[in-house]
Formats: sequence, C-alpha cells, structure tokens
Amino acid sequence: DQQVKQNSPSLSVQEGRISILNCDYTNSMFDYFLWYKKYPAEGPTFLISISSIKDKNEDGRFTVFLNKSAKHLSLHIVPSQPGDSAVYFCAAVGRDDKIIFGKGTRLHILP
Amino acid sequence: NAGVTQTPKFRILKIGQSMTLQCAQDMNHNYMYWYRQDPGMGLKLIYYSVGAGITDKGEVPNGYNVSRSTTEDFPLRLELAAPSQTSVYFCASSRQGVELGTEAFFGQGTRLTVV
Repeated sequence: DQQVKQNSPSLSVQEGRISILNCDYTNSMFDYFLWYKKYPAEGPTFLISISSIKDKNEDGRFTVFLNKSAKHLSLHIVPSQPGDSAVYFCAAVGRDDKIIFGKGTRLHILP
Repeated sequence: NAGVTQTPKFRILKIGQSMTLQCAQDMNHNYMYWYRQDPGMGLKLIYYSVGAGITDKGEVPNGYNVSRSTTEDFPLRLELAAPSQTSVYFCASSRQGVELGTEAFFGQGTRLTVV
C-alpha cells in the first residue's frame, strides 16, 4: 500500500516554461515533506522541503506547495532548464522518522 | 568532503551467498538509512537508525540485517542472497531527522546483481 504516490511516471516540458510535479499522500500523520532530484548512476540529492504547518516554501526557481486537506503537494520549477532533466522523488516523514518515498517522476526538458 | 560513502559500487553475487554493503558518513550524523531502488519502484526503506546502538525496520526489511555500533558506520548484511534482492542500494544520513529541517544526504549507491 503506497503511502506516497507520484502518479505521473514522466513529464515533458519546454525549456523556459513551468514544470509542475505532483505528489499525493495517504498518511495524515506525515508532518514533513521533501523533494529529491536524481540523475542516472548517482544518489538522490535534496531539493526543497516543507513542514506540514506551512502551505508554501520557495527556494530560487523551486517552489513547493502543500494542500493538507487534499493530502497533495506539488513542486514548481520555473523557468525550466535543460539541467532539470532528471527523476524527481517526493518523500514524506512522520513521527517515526521514516522517510517514505514515492516512485518518482522523470522530467524531460525539451529544447 | 566525503559525505556518505558506499562500498562496493558494484557486486555480483550467486544465490545463497552472503555479503555486507558498507556505508560510512563523516558528518557526525545521528540518523542513517538504507534504501533499495528497483526499476520504476522508487526508493523503499529497508532499515534505519536514529543513533548508535539503535536500529528499526523500514518498509522491506526481510532478508536483510543491520547494525550500528558506531555513529559513522551502518553496514547492511545480506545473509542468503536471492534474485529478488537484485537492486540498487542507497545509504543516507541526516543530522537529527529530516522533520527538524535537516535533509538526508545520499551515497552514490551499490548496484547488486544476484544470479
């Protein structure tokens, strides 16, 4: 039973446009959410996080939005750049300190 | 600035063999994690540790064992390798647990094939 769901396996976006990656979760006890980026043959690298007491966190081109009532979060990347092509993982953390990941979304930035 | 170091990078095991995947971090992090990544399946938590001497099961612990005798090291042991354990394994660490605002840092991964 997946607690963190990324329902889009892949997404293609034109360079310079906005990329929106979505994530849903089922466990209302999660209180911290993270986004990681992964290139082939490398470990995931941290991008941005958000606490459940907030609804938005911004860091440069990356913004994460959290809708607790819908158990939904999204990562916005604007403007999208070629180096943003990677797999993006959504993750959630509860009081038990487990970091639970989604299956990932592969983002392709088109020239 | 080594961060999280995993060894080996690649390994081929025969069914029934055993091996230990090594993970070391030099950031004095309390929390450490082991994940496996299967194609199209994301990262699944195997075991984690919130400090030396403390370990807990994750989502998919069966077939694995861990120990945490020091803050720096968190080895993952496969006792009887099975083809289902063919995967890429990632170790990660964080200072206090990510909900306190410190993200987890990942190693480069160990690609294990069981034949």
